[in-house]
Amino acid sequence: NAGVTQTPKFQVLKTGQSMTLQCAQDMNHEYMSWYRQDPGMGLRLIHYSVGAGITDQGEVPNGYNVSRSTTEDFPLRLLSAAPSQTSVYFCASSLQVQVNPGELFFGEGSRLTVL
Amino acid sequence: AQSVTQPDIHITVSEGASLELRCNYSYGATPYLFWYVQSPGQGLQLLLKYFSGDTLVQGIKGFEAEFKRSQSSFNLRKPSVHWSDAAEYFCAVGASGTYKYIFGTGTRLKVLA
Repeated sequence: NAGVTQTPKFQVLKTGQSMTLQCAQDMNHEYMSWYRQDPGMGLRLIHYSVGAGITDQGEVPNGYNVSRSTTEDFPLRLLSAAPSQTSVYFCASSLQVQVNPGELFFGEGSRLTVL
Repeated sequence: AQSVTQPDIHITVSEGASLELRCNYSYGATPYLFWYVQSPGQGLQLLLKYFSGDTLVQGIKGFEAEFKRSQSSFNLRKPSVHWSDAAEYFCAVGASGTYKYIFGTGTRLKVLA
C-alpha cells in the first residue's frame, strides 16, 4: 500500500551542484506532478506529466528538468542548484485530471537546502 | 486568471469549539474544489471535494464544506475541534481541461487545550 514514494526525504546541496529527486507511484496513475512549498506561498506547480513521454511546464519550471519514461516514475532534476531552490518538494499523482480533475495523492515530501 | 484565496494565515481555536476556514476562488467555469490537510512533516491528505450536486459535502474526520457559487466560496467547517486537528489546511481548485490545480496559501490551525 505504498502510494506515492519520494526519495530522499532530506538533502543538503551546495550552490551549483545537481541532483535528482525521485518519485514513484504504484497506483497506475497517468498524471504526475511536482510542487514546491514555500512559507506563505502555498504549493506551486513546477512540472507535470499526463503519461509516459509527455511532460509540460507548470508555474515555476526554471531550473528544473523532468522526464517520464514509465508510468510509475517521475524524477525531478535540479540542473545547477541555487539557494532560491531551498524548499520542500512534493510529488503528487492522480488518476484523472483533464476532464474531471480528481484527487491528488501526495508523497511525504523532500526537504532540500541549498547552501 | 484562476486563483484561490485563503484570507486567514493563522487561526487559533479552543478544543471543542467550532471552526470555519475560509476559501474564495476565481474561476471561469464550474470549479472542482478540494480541501487538503497537512500535518507537520507530512504530505497533503484529501479531506473532501466538490464536483457537482449537493452543495454541502461531507469529508473525513468530521469536516464538511459548503459550496456557494454566488459568493465564489468553499468554506470548511467542523462543529467541534479536536487537538489532533492542529495542522495546515489548503483549499485548491482543479481547472478542468488544463491539467493544473491551483492551491491557496494555506491556513495554519492551532488548537488550545
